[in-house]
Amino acid sequence: GEDVEQSLFLSVREGDSSVINCTYTDSSSTYLYWYKQEPGAGLQLLTYIFSNMDMKQDQRLTVLLNKKDKHLSLRIADTQTGDSAIYFCAETPYTGYSSASKIIFGSGTRLSIRP
Amino acid sequence: SQTIHQWPATLVQPVGSPLSLECTVEGTSNPNLYWYRQAAGRGLQLLFYSIGIDQISSEVPQNLSASRPQDRQFILSSKKLLLSDSGFYLCAWSVGGPGGGYTFGSGTRLTVV
Repeated sequence: GEDVEQSLFLSVREGDSSVINCTYTDSSSTYLYWYKQEPGAGLQLLTYIFSNMDMKQDQRLTVLLNKKDKHLSLRIADTQTGDSAIYFCAETPYTGYSSASKIIFGSGTRLSIRP
Repeated sequence: SQTIHQWPATLVQPVGSPLSLECTVEGTSNPNLYWYRQAAGRGLQLLFYSIGIDQISSEVPQNLSASRPQDRQFILSSKKLLLSDSGFYLCAWSVGGPGGGYTFGSGTRLTVV
């Protein structure tokens, strides 16, 4: 079945780079996402990558996809205190425009920033 | 612009009481709608999704039900709450098609006592 796994915690020093890793099992995954959840809030889509890409960069965020190993990572450059949050990896098989695209989420990685 | 409203933000209910959480979407038509639950310290579990009025799919057997009486309204209900129903409930919407992901509401924190 579909499964997305990620480590639960990551602690980095302010100004360093953070790398959050994720593995998934569904070989038909077409879109892979990173969401951010701040305390007490809903989830915010940070970025996504299509499965035929291996890298996507958006300002401080870099997403790397190794489709062979089914491994996705999110790198945050120059990590700031405002980056403290839970980061969710997620994937979805694309089943057509009119269908509900179910997204399967990992358990989330709590990123904490130390001075 | 599209917005999603979810209420209430917090709720404390006794065991055995009924539940009704409401989610509405503005600025779009015929969205796909979803209810997720996030238990403390855990990931998101998909509970229900809907591709249209009165079209509900349940992902896991449980004490909850969902209804979609209008195109942009999605309701999560229970007749009798259990302690295990406590959690953070998130509504989301998407349009079909690639790359869109979901847009989430701000969530309802439910504590069953």
